Amino acid sequence: QVQLVESGGGLVKPGGSLRLSCAASGFTFSDYYMSWIRQAPGKGLEWVSYISSTGSTIYYADSVKGRFTISRDNAKSSLYLQMNSLRADDTAVYYCARWMITTVGVVTSYYFDFWGQGTLVTVSS
Amino acid sequence: SSELTQDPAVSVALGQTVRITCQGDRLRSYYASWYQQKPGQAPVLVIYGKNNRPSGIPDRFSGSSSGNTASLIISGAQAEDGADYYCNSRDSSGADVVFGGGTKLTVL
Repeated sequence: QVQLVESGGGLVKPGGSLRLSCAASGFTFSDYYMSWIRQAPGKGLEWVSYISSTGSTIYYADSVKGRFTISRDNAKSSLYLQMNSLRADDTAVYYCARWMITTVGVVTSYYFDFWGQGTLVTVSS
Repeated sequence: SSELTQDPAVSVALGQTVRITCQGDRLRSYYASWYQQKPGQAPVLVIYGKNNRPSGIPDRFSGSSSGNTASLIISGAQAEDGADYYCNSRDSSGADVVFGGGTKLTVL
């Protein structure tokens, strides 16, 4: 069955860096887009970034652009998020999710069909 | 602010039908997907595309769309349906992704 397991979260000081990992299993990782989504304590979901199956297409939310870098290693079935210049408002649970893009006729649907359990990142001095 | 607008809270009597809505201009071009999240758990996909349910999602969950509004409908709400629900779609640029602010559903 599909499994996504995040790791790498923890406590970091403002201005610091952290690298999150997401280990995927149960599907052909290299065939799928992947994404990072975060959720600040008591808040809603916020999309962070996505990466295409080959890594050739990458987008970021404005809130993390220039500070975060998404990448993947298809040989290791792993997704990464390098987070630099961390701020207090980056404190959140970070989820990796598989992003499905399906087209039926002229209609394309986008959805996150599998999610990891999340890893908590706390930015505090 | 989110480009997808949801009511912050909705309540429904046990066994009744409830509609949770999501409004946004991009919903005229893209279907919304819907996620259920219970406290301390990761979100779970419940509806995607025109009206598709992943395996394991009860058939009391359905989706519909009209104009700039997408709806998640729970027919015969059960106590275990009490949760936060989020809609999701592409944003106005067509490149990025956006979530609605979420709706807290209380089953009375």
